[in-house]
Amino acid sequence: NAGVMQNPRHLVRRRGQEARLRCSPMKGHSHVYWYRQLPEEGLKFMVYLQKENIIDESGMPKERFSAEFPKEGPSILRIQQVVRGDSAAYFCASSPPSGNEQYFGPGTRLTVT
Amino acid sequence: GDSVTQMEGPVTLSEEAFLTINCTYTATGYPSLFWYVQYPGEGLQLLLKATKADDKGSNKGFEATYRKETTSFHLEKGSVQVSDSAVYFCALSASSGYSTLTFGKGTMLLVSP
Repeated sequence: NAGVMQNPRHLVRRRGQEARLRCSPMKGHSHVYWYRQLPEEGLKFMVYLQKENIIDESGMPKERFSAEFPKEGPSILRIQQVVRGDSAAYFCASSPPSGNEQYFGPGTRLTVT
Repeated sequence: GDSVTQMEGPVTLSEEAFLTINCTYTATGYPSLFWYVQYPGEGLQLLLKATKADDKGSNKGFEATYRKETTSFHLEKGSVQVSDSAVYFCALSASSGYSTLTFGKGTMLLVSP
C-alpha cells in the first residue's frame, strides 16, 4: 500500500523559471493539502484541494502560485517566475473523505539559485 | 487565529533519559491535537493524536495527554533511544470544518549514546 508520493524530491531552478511539484495521494484519499516549510520554521498551510476543486487557498500567495488536483493524475503545485525566497521544502499530505488524519509525502526541496 | 507554541530546541539527552517536549495551543472550540516526527531528509510521520479532552495518545513509547484546562499536549517518553533523534512537531486541527493543520515550529531532539 503505497504512501503519499511526491516528485521530484529535489528541484533546482534559476530565478524567473517555473517550478512544478507533483503529489500523488494515498489510494482511496481524495483530499490533498500542500504545506511549505521554510528553514528553521514549522510547516505552513498553503492550499487544500479535493478532486477538481480548490477548497481553501488562504495560505497560498496570490501571485505566481497555483494548485490543481485534476480528475485524473496527481495534484500539481505550480510556482511561476521563482524567486530566492521560494526556496523551501514543500510537503503534500492526503486524507480520506472522512477522518482528520493527514499522511505526508517525503517532500520536494526546491532551491532557487 | 489558531496557534501552537512548542519549547525551543535543541533538546539534548543521553540515551535512556526521560523526555518532555512542551506544547501549548490556542484555538476555539475543541481541536484535535497531534504530534508528528520528522527524521532528517524525510517527510512527517504521525506519531500520536488525541481528539478530545483527557484523551491520551500513545505510540512507540511516546505519550501525550490532551489537557483542555491548561491548553497543553506535552510529549513524553520514559527512556529515549539514539534512534529517537529527530524533529518533533505539535499540531492541531480545528474542531469544525475540514482538517487543515496548524503546526508549531518544531523541536529538535538529539540523543547521544
